[in-house]
Amino acid sequence: GQNIDQPTEMTATEGAIVQINCTYQTSGFNGLFWYQQHAGEAPTFLSYNVLDGLEEKGRFSSFLSRSKGYSYLLLKELQMKDSASYLCAVSAYSTLTFGKGTMLLVSP
Amino acid sequence: SAVISQKPSRDICQRGTSLTIQCQVDSQVTMMFWYRQQPGQSLTLIATANQGSEATYESGFVIDKFPISRPNLTFSTLTVSNMSPEDSSIYLCSVEQGADRPKNIQYFGAGTRLSVL
Repeated sequence: GQNIDQPTEMTATEGAIVQINCTYQTSGFNGLFWYQQHAGEAPTFLSYNVLDGLEEKGRFSSFLSRSKGYSYLLLKELQMKDSASYLCAVSAYSTLTFGKGTMLLVSP
Repeated sequence: SAVISQKPSRDICQRGTSLTIQCQVDSQVTMMFWYRQQPGQSLTLIATANQGSEATYESGFVIDKFPISRPNLTFSTLTVSNMSPEDSSIYLCSVEQGADRPKNIQYFGAGTRLSVL
């Protein structure tokens, strides 16, 4: 079976750095994805990791450790528009299994 | 990335009726997916729809309740049949673009918000 855990909520202030963790236990692994979902909108793709290490993309970075079943999404220089739900998803056998998402609230 | 249009964007339906949700993509794609997102929950895969073959349903979802059509490479429909209030949810379609392989990135439509009374 698939099990993906991430914190339910996090808060941070504008300009700060926040790290959202994700742990997973899955049968099969083809990669780990992070999506951002604003309220009432579609999830949008943020990042992808298939090998261990850090992938950097502007203000967002994502890290993967396959041996530990662990990933994190790092958001730097937080902006108010970063307030959203962040979904960790694991790909296996051509399907994605999503975690419950972490609601991030950025305050001034 | 693909542009995905879903219709309707929202609907309020009576129990016992059925609703068909349409998903249109602006380019040809091999794999399309249908998800459900219940209030406060994450996305749960209902089925994978490939053109020219029967949809593949995930555990807990059956064809009689959620029939799917995939008549061509740019279009799919999901029907929610004999609805009950428990079917109130957001239904999303997504596509996987071959050009992105092997990353298997999925792109999502805006979703259909369904309320069943």
